[in-house]
Amino acid sequence: DVKVTQSSRYLVKRTGEKVFLECVQDMDHENMFWYRQDPGLGLRLIYFSYDVKMKEKGDIPEGYSVSREKKERFSLILESASTNQTSMYLCASSLRQPNFYGYTFGSGTRLTVV
Amino acid sequence: QQQVKQSPQSLIVQKGGISIINCAYENTAFDYFPWYQQFPGKGPALLIAIRPDVSEKKEGRFTISFNKSAKQFSLHIMDSQPGDSATYFCAATRAGNNRKLIWGLGTSLGVNP
Repeated sequence: DVKVTQSSRYLVKRTGEKVFLECVQDMDHENMFWYRQDPGLGLRLIYFSYDVKMKEKGDIPEGYSVSREKKERFSLILESASTNQTSMYLCASSLRQPNFYGYTFGSGTRLTVV
Repeated sequence: QQQVKQSPQSLIVQKGGISIINCAYENTAFDYFPWYQQFPGKGPALLIAIRPDVSEKKEGRFTISFNKSAKQFSLHIMDSQPGDSATYFCAATRAGNNRKLIWGLGTSLGVNP
């Protein structure tokens, strides 16, 4: 069963901490994405990567960075966590064209910053 | 500016009824239109998708209707069941741009027993 695995389901961190969210996929997908999901705001793209060591900013990259050292792993980094980064974080992956058939999502990490 | 507009924001239907969720898009270059279903505590999962060369696609109780001239597409859930209660997202993407999906804001569907 193919999957996207996010390392933590729930995480509580203190303001100012550096936070790492890890995502691993076993489908040999080229593209990987980080979203945050907040009530009423839908899915907002933070960063995405279409190849190892490649990254592009999404719609809300401020306060975040990413790392993709291996094809299967995409990490989201909160440089200095703030309370407004309390959210559900979702990782997704996909194939590139012409084999694209949509995204596969992980189950999410619910992050609370106190 | 939101490129994919989804309505309604929430929807309550009775068991056995038809649930209809609508989406409208602006970019005529979009060529792939998926719908995702998300249960509480889970990530979204691909439900059904359509390309603009067909006007309808059906998978079991789920149907996408696509109107290219109106730039609209909709999800119909026939014989709605309590287990269909979830949040539904429409999305769109175009060739190139590494297939980045543009998302609607989601519809929370509740099906009463």
